[in-house]
Amino acid sequence: AQSVTQLDSQVPVFEEAPVELRCNYSSSVSVYLFWYVQYPNQGLQLLLKYLSGSTLVESINGFEAEFNKSQTSFHLRKPSVHISDTAEYFCAVSDTGTYKYIFGTGTRLKVLA
Amino acid sequence: SAVISQKPSRDICQRGTSLTIQCQVDSQVTMMFWYRQQPGQSLTLIATANQGSEATYESGFVIDKFPISRPNLTFSTLTVSNMSPEDSSIYLCSVSHRGKSYEQYFGPGTRLTVT
Repeated sequence: AQSVTQLDSQVPVFEEAPVELRCNYSSSVSVYLFWYVQYPNQGLQLLLKYLSGSTLVESINGFEAEFNKSQTSFHLRKPSVHISDTAEYFCAVSDTGTYKYIFGTGTRLKVLA
Repeated sequence: SAVISQKPSRDICQRGTSLTIQCQVDSQVTMMFWYRQQPGQSLTLIATANQGSEATYESGFVIDKFPISRPNLTFSTLTVSNMSPEDSSIYLCSVSHRGKSYEQYFGPGTRLTVT
């Protein structure tokens, strides 16, 4: 069965520094990959997704993630974070035939002034 | 995307009682899902709500404990029955549209505390 690992439960980083949030999944079958963000006291918002094509996907607020099939990874990066990026970030994987999401345990990103 | 609302946003309930959570979407959607997010943990899929038929439950979840209805393409309810403190969680509904069934949008969640 598919599983998703987010190794870092919390990541503190100073404002304007780069950050990488790691996500690995277990099964190498054809998958869709997602990053969701949950701001304090809000619901989950879709940040970006990989379905097919280019392995590098970008969001409108400067995040990017790269699909690496050989390493079964989909790490999230941002070259310069802002205080407003403080949130919990969830990686999710869906086997292409099922449309069911398996979520990682989440990474709490705290941006420090 | 879709605008999704959930009622109630939060509730505190007594052990042994039941709570029904509503999920309303502003457009017709193909699929609706219910998730649970226990304190400090990730999201776990409870079931897929099927319009006009019984919901499809994931392993570890049963209809007697979590009855689900979906009378039309924009509305669903999840009932948490005979509650215990272990049911204290955030319950979220999510939806996906025809032609984009792989992409889910989430409601704001219902924060349930059972005392």
